Amino acid sequence: AQSVTQLGSHVSVSEGALVLLRCNYSSSVPPYLFWYVQYPNQGLQLLLKYTSAATLVKGINGFEAEFKKSETSFHLTKPSAHMRDAAEYFCAVSDQGGYQKVTFGTGTKLQVIP
Amino acid sequence: GAGVSQSPSNKVTEKGKDVELRCDPISGHTALYWYRQRLGQGLEFLIYFQGNSAPDKSGLPSDRFSAERTGESVSTLTIQRTQQEDSAVYLCASSSPRGGANTGELFFGEGSRLTVL
Repeated sequence: AQSVTQLGSHVSVSEGALVLLRCNYSSSVPPYLFWYVQYPNQGLQLLLKYTSAATLVKGINGFEAEFKKSETSFHLTKPSAHMRDAAEYFCAVSDQGGYQKVTFGTGTKLQVIP
Repeated sequence: GAGVSQSPSNKVTEKGKDVELRCDPISGHTALYWYRQRLGQGLEFLIYFQGNSAPDKSGLPSDRFSAERTGESVSTLTIQRTQQEDSAVYLCASSSPRGGANTGELFFGEGSRLTVL
């Protein structure tokens, strides 16, 4: 079985400050890991993904995440928050082979304060 | 089509009625998923299709919920005798392009918002 835990259902940062959204995963096999973003009144879209290549993954809009096997983590970061980053962010995990059920975390709502 | 299409986008129904939600995946995608997102909550897995078979139905909340898929095409999620707790946004996603790399990346539709009065 696989699962993800997102620490903090709500995170507030000031515009220009560092964004750090935490995700820890549990998987019995090598995982694929994803961050999805859901802007207000929109569908989910992929932000970035880890698929066993480079452990530091860069995504859209200046976001990046680092896969740390020893810590079973895949935290999402952005050096400088922008107002347009206000959204809900979901971490997700799937197996690298076979049946690829994708399991999502409960989400973290990011608020950016001007 | 170019993206995942879901219909209806909004559905208001009375408690006890049956509803059908439709999902048209991206052409050529072999895998299809249904998730439920209740207000203020995360994504709850319902069912997964590979082609027209459903190897994992473990997320269906009760026997009032069922889903089917025609080949590698459209899927319908049916909720019988709806209850107020069924009110949510039902999201469909597809993945796994035939002949392409399978990384598990999902492409989501915009969802069907169901309100049960």
